[in-house]
Amino acid sequence: EIVLTQSPGTLSLSPGERATLSCRASQSVTSSSLAWYHQKPGQAPRLLIYGASNRASGIPDRFSGSGSGTDFTLTISRLEPEDFAVYYCQQYSSSPYTFGQGTKVEIK
Amino acid sequence: EVQLVESGGGLIQPGGSLRLSCAASGFSVRSNYMSWVRQAPGKGLQWVSLIYSGGSAYYANSVKGRFTISRDNSKNTLYLQMNSLRPEDTAVYYCAKEGYPANTGTGPFDIWGHGTMVTVSS
Repeated sequence: EIVLTQSPGTLSLSPGERATLSCRASQSVTSSSLAWYHQKPGQAPRLLIYGASNRASGIPDRFSGSGSGTDFTLTISRLEPEDFAVYYCQQYSSSPYTFGQGTKVEIK
Repeated sequence: EVQLVESGGGLIQPGGSLRLSCAASGFSVRSNYMSWVRQAPGKGLQWVSLIYSGGSAYYANSVKGRFTISRDNSKNTLYLQMNSLRPEDTAVYYCAKEGYPANTGTGPFDIWGHGTMVTVSS
């Protein structure tokens, strides 16, 4: 099973600032099968990034993903009020699919 | 409109059984890889089970032997039969569709339902 470790646990930032979230895998994620989601309270997760660096449909270009192998990064260039949420990475290269424990991006 | 709607959650005693349903619209459940993902109160996301378009099914170790994923193509609906329920199975259960397939054939969850709450307690 591939274990995903996200850091930091909480990120306190102001609107307009840049956010950098990390996801590290316990073994290489094949075909860059790594996704990022965000989740707001009481809502289902929403797909932001797939294949490590591809934006899903309708996702604004302030969201970008990078990385390969075992180290991946989600960057939000300028935080908008609606971006304050919990962010999860997920690998889907093989079963069992696994998620990171989440990074909460909160308003400073 | 592409949509997933879960139902069937509720309060159940430990050791009991429950069947969750996930009705799909706007796409075919039979032609897609479909999963169940759960989230315990205040916790993160945990993948539970997956069914491939070909019918092969996979399970998390924590539910293997107790949960069964299936689908009814005529109703375009995904199911999760949950037996021998435990308090640690308490969670919101989401069904999700895979999209954007990678070379492996698998993909991220591009469509999610709103979730259905399962509470296992005496």
